Amino acid sequence: GQNIDQPTEMTATEGAIVQINCTYQTSGFNGLFWYQQHAGEAPTFLSYNVLDGLEEKGRFSSFLSRSKGYSYLLLKELQMKDSASYLCAFPAGGYQKVTFGTGTKLQVIP
Amino acid sequence: DAGVTQSPTHLIKTRGQQVTLRCSPISGHKSVSWYQQVLGQGPQFIFQYYEKEERGRGNFPDRFSARQFPNYSSELNVNALLLGDSALYLCASRQRQDSSYEQYFGPGTRLTVT
Repeated sequence: GQNIDQPTEMTATEGAIVQINCTYQTSGFNGLFWYQQHAGEAPTFLSYNVLDGLEEKGRFSSFLSRSKGYSYLLLKELQMKDSASYLCAFPAGGYQKVTFGTGTKLQVIP
Repeated sequence: DAGVTQSPTHLIKTRGQQVTLRCSPISGHKSVSWYQQVLGQGPQFIFQYYEKEERGRGNFPDRFSARQFPNYSSELNVNALLLGDSALYLCASRQRQDSSYEQYFGPGTRLTVT
């Protein structure tokens, strides 16, 4: 089957680094997405990993290990505006649909 | 350029009623997907349409239906509304059905069923 696990909530301090983990199970792997979603708003695309390793994009980095079914999103130099839900997701069914996890709600505190 | 637009923004309906939600994709995007997001959960896939044909369907009852028009806009219809249909309904567009990333979401329609 297809399944995604993420922690429900995390709290981190402004200026710090936080790592949000995601484990997944899927019969056919076509890459893994991370989205950011502020409360009451639509998800916005952060990253897409299809190969193993770390991809860096400014303060955000995403890591993938296909053999372990594991990914993480690394947020550096946390800012208050980073308080949001972070959704791990993967395309399935020949890209027709994207399966989302329940999301990790990150709270950044002063 | 305009992003994905959805209407209405908010909607209140009573049980048993029918609702139609509308979505206009980004110009040039031919694929539209619909998602339901219940509070505290991730979006759940409902439908994908590409070139006016249904290309994917999630695990939702037949009360849910959709269509895509020649201009690539789309409508989601839900019949016989239940309290559990209360959710944020998101529309997302991308250029082709096989493009594996950069799916752009609209602001959503907040549906409340009383």
